[in-house]
Amino acid sequence: EVRLEESGGALVQAGGSLRLACEVSGFPVRSNYLSWVRQTPGKGLEWVSVLYSGGGTYYADSVKDRFIISRDNSKNTIYLQMNNVRAEDSAIYYCARVDGYMPDYWGQGTLVTVSS
Amino acid sequence: QSALTQPRSVSGSPGQSVTIACTGTNSDVGTYNFVSWYQHHPGKAPKLIISEVTKRPSGVPDRFSGSKSGNTASLSISGLQPEDEADYYCSSYSDTYTFGLFGGGTKLTVL
Repeated sequence: EVRLEESGGALVQAGGSLRLACEVSGFPVRSNYLSWVRQTPGKGLEWVSVLYSGGGTYYADSVKDRFIISRDNSKNTIYLQMNNVRAEDSAIYYCARVDGYMPDYWGQGTLVTVSS
Repeated sequence: QSALTQPRSVSGSPGQSVTIACTGTNSDVGTYNFVSWYQHHPGKAPKLIISEVTKRPSGVPDRFSGSKSGNTASLSISGLQPEDEADYYCSSYSDTYTFGLFGGGTKLTVL
């Protein structure tokens, strides 16, 4: 059974840092595209970052140079290191496997709230 | 990044049918058959219910169906059940962006 479980969401002050984790079961992270997608009431669903199976990465312009996506193959887990967070980063963050160009399996999300 | 356009809400009574539209452009929905639909009960993981416009993953009831005409894709749900009450999102491959576009989401209320 495929399962993705996010953790690490919290209340953090603007300018601070946070690390999200997504533990995956049912398929190996090393051979799949894994992503972080966030949801806000105002902007809906938005790609944040994608980690390609070969190790390459994609970042949305809004998070480039602040966020870092990575994985630990031994733990079958991906991470999102969020640095210098801003109020507009407040959202529910979902981990999702990318099949082609779109997600197929998702986690249930973790809430990040940035206070100013 | 422009989102695909969906109605904010639709509603129907148990047993009825509803259709949710998802409008894009010639750079996405209109040209490519890579439209997906997700069902999302808040607090739970979004679930893929339609891929490549019309394909239903294993386990998705055949009450759910997808179609496309021009720049608009549609999700139809027949024989509405109370558990169908959820948010529904469309997505599409786009030749303008690195990864696909999402719709703004439609809240389905089963009256």
